[in-house]
Amino acid sequence: DAGVIQSPRHEVTEMGQEVTLRCKPISGHNSLFWYRQTMMRGLELLIYFNNNVPIDDSGMPEDRFSAKMPNASFSTLKIQPSEPRDSAVYFCASSLAEDQPQHFGDGTRLSIL
Amino acid sequence: AQTVTQSQPEMSVQEAETVTLSCTYDTSESDYYLFWYKQPPSRQMILVIRQEAYKQQNATENRFSVNFQKAAKSFSLKISDSQLGDAAMYFCAYRRRTGTASKLTFGTGTRLQVTL
Repeated sequence: DAGVIQSPRHEVTEMGQEVTLRCKPISGHNSLFWYRQTMMRGLELLIYFNNNVPIDDSGMPEDRFSAKMPNASFSTLKIQPSEPRDSAVYFCASSLAEDQPQHFGDGTRLSIL
Repeated sequence: AQTVTQSQPEMSVQEAETVTLSCTYDTSESDYYLFWYKQPPSRQMILVIRQEAYKQQNATENRFSVNFQKAAKSFSLKISDSQLGDAAMYFCAYRRRTGTASKLTFGTGTRLQVTL
C-alpha cells in the first residue's frame, strides 16, 4: 500500500514567493496532520484536519500560512509570502482515525533564500 | 500543557549490544498514548512502538521494548541486539487519548550511533 505522499521533496525559492506544499494521505485515513521540523523548535504541529475539516490550527505561525483539504485525498499547505525563517522540513501525516497511530510522509525540505 | 523531555542528545552503542533511551513527560491527563518514532538520515518518520497509558504491560516489538512507569511519567526505549540500521534520531512523543486534541507532542530527540 502506498504511504503518505508529499510533494515536492525539496523546494528552494526566494523570499517573497508563494510556496505550496502538497500531501496525499493514505487512502481511507480520516485525519491529516501538518508538522514542521526545525533545529530550534524540533517537531511541532501546525494544523490538523478530521474528515476534511480543520480541527486545530493553533500551531499555524501567522497569517502567511494557510492549509486546505478540499477532499479526502488531498491537502495543501501554502506560505505567502515566504520568508527565510520558514525554512524547515514540513511533514504531512495521516491516521485512520483521530486516536490511531499517525503515519508520516517523507517530508518536504523547504529553503527560502 | 503537555511536555516531553529527552535528556540524552546523543547515545552510542556497539553492534549487538543493548541500549536504553530515556524519555519523561508531564501531563495532567490520565488517559493518553506514548510513542517512539525513528528518523533515519533519509528523514522519514517511522513509528517504532506505541504504549497505551491504561495498559500496565510494557509494549514490545521484536528487538524494541519500553519501560513504562506511569507514576514516574517515564517512558524509556530499550533496543536489544543493536544493528547498524538502528542508527537514527529517536523521538519520544505524547498524545491525549480523549477529545479532539490529537496532536503529537514530541521531545527534542536522541541521536543514536551504532558502532562496530
